[in-house]
Amino acid sequence: SQQGEEDPQALSIQEGENATMNCSYKTSINNLQWYRQNSGRGLVHLILIRSNEREKHSGRLRVTLDTSKKSSSLLITASRAADTASYFCATDGQGAQKLVFGQGTRLTINP
Amino acid sequence: AAGVIQSPRHLIKEKRETATLKCYPIPRHDTVYWYQQGPGQDPQFLISFYEKMQSDKGSIPDRFSAQQFSDYHSELNMSSLELGDSALYFCASTRFVGYNEQFFGPGTRLTVL
Repeated sequence: SQQGEEDPQALSIQEGENATMNCSYKTSINNLQWYRQNSGRGLVHLILIRSNEREKHSGRLRVTLDTSKKSSSLLITASRAADTASYFCATDGQGAQKLVFGQGTRLTINP
Repeated sequence: AAGVIQSPRHLIKEKRETATLKCYPIPRHDTVYWYQQGPGQDPQFLISFYEKMQSDKGSIPDRFSAQQFSDYHSELNMSSLELGDSALYFCASTRFVGYNEQFFGPGTRLTVL
């Protein structure tokens, strides 16, 4: 990936458990966004966190951002089978709005 | 709410043929981005347009060209197709002013045989 790593590359948990995915990036950013992608389908926007924010919530999602470590985490609480998908972080910055994606975490929720 | 529309959704071409992918952004969005996602890969930025002018360029082959029209829709033209061009092609749109999220279309799956 051009931007950085996502950790783990794959995660398998039981329904009801919490899932945490991490993303690291290389350059300074304006915003960091998380997207979900079901197999071979489109990218669904989940949440955007700005560089001056440290934490953001949306429903069962919690995103943190640590610009000093150039890293972000996505927490999905009380996971459901429908959460099974690949999750990508994407950053924009340095005057450019194009998104640079991480490699993605493939999340599997077992019923 | 209206979303980004892409057409066609699926396209099968032979090597050396040409293909045209279309993108219709969300109403009042003035900026369009094109991304390519190979099998098992993360999306890679190709090119973007703001107010019908190219605003940024990524790893887009010289065989590809794109433009944004007066109604803000965009077309990605791909010539001399190669097997390696087989991928999902996404279009995303946003409003330049007060930039927030990029909203993605469902993608066009291009298969080159």
